Amino acid sequence: EVQLVESGGGLVQPGRSLRLSCVASGFIFDDYAMNWVRQAPGKGLEWISGISWNSVTIAYADSVKGRFTISRDNAKKSVYLEMNSLRADDTALYYCAKAHHLLWDHFDHWGQGTLVAVSS
Amino acid sequence: DIQMTQSPSSLSASVGDRVTITCRASQGIINYLAWYQHQPGKVPKALIYAASTLQSGVPSRFSGSGSGREFTLTISSLQPEDVGTYYCQRYNSAPPTFGGGTKVEIK
Repeated sequence: EVQLVESGGGLVQPGRSLRLSCVASGFIFDDYAMNWVRQAPGKGLEWISGISWNSVTIAYADSVKGRFTISRDNAKKSVYLEMNSLRADDTALYYCAKAHHLLWDHFDHWGQGTLVAVSS
Repeated sequence: DIQMTQSPSSLSASVGDRVTITCRASQGIINYLAWYQHQPGKVPKALIYAASTLQSGVPSRFSGSGSGREFTLTISSLQPEDVGTYYCQRYNSAPPTFGGGTKVEIK
């Protein structure tokens, strides 16, 4: 069974940093691209970053470009999201999502999410 | 960037009704279109990909159609457990944009 478990969320002050982690199990992790998607309170789903299986191709939404960094460690079956210069509008539930196969593919499994709240 | 526009933004229908949600892309995306169901307190769930391919385990009352710029998600007979918000997503290139969502309620 595919499982994705996010961690690292919490309450953080504006301008500070946070690192999210997502540990995968139940599939051959290094065969698949991975993504981060967020949902702000009362809003829809927003894709924010994706990384190919070998970390060669990485992309970001304009809203986080230059502030967030995605990475992965295939040996640890984990994908990470380093979030810097956090703003109030980064407050959201952050989901880790597995691509069906390729980087530009639909997301066939999602984690439960980790909540990030940015407030002074 | 390619924009995805869903309509309606919300709908209320009776159990057993046929429900149709539309998603329009600002540019052609061939068939690189997925549909997701997101229920309160639950994880988003993939229903359809490649515009019309049913994800494994999804009930057959869900179907998708379309290509190019216009796509539809149809629930042939609405059930109480189908309540939630439905999103389309195009995924042919970065950014893989979601539509704004359609909230489905039972009348």
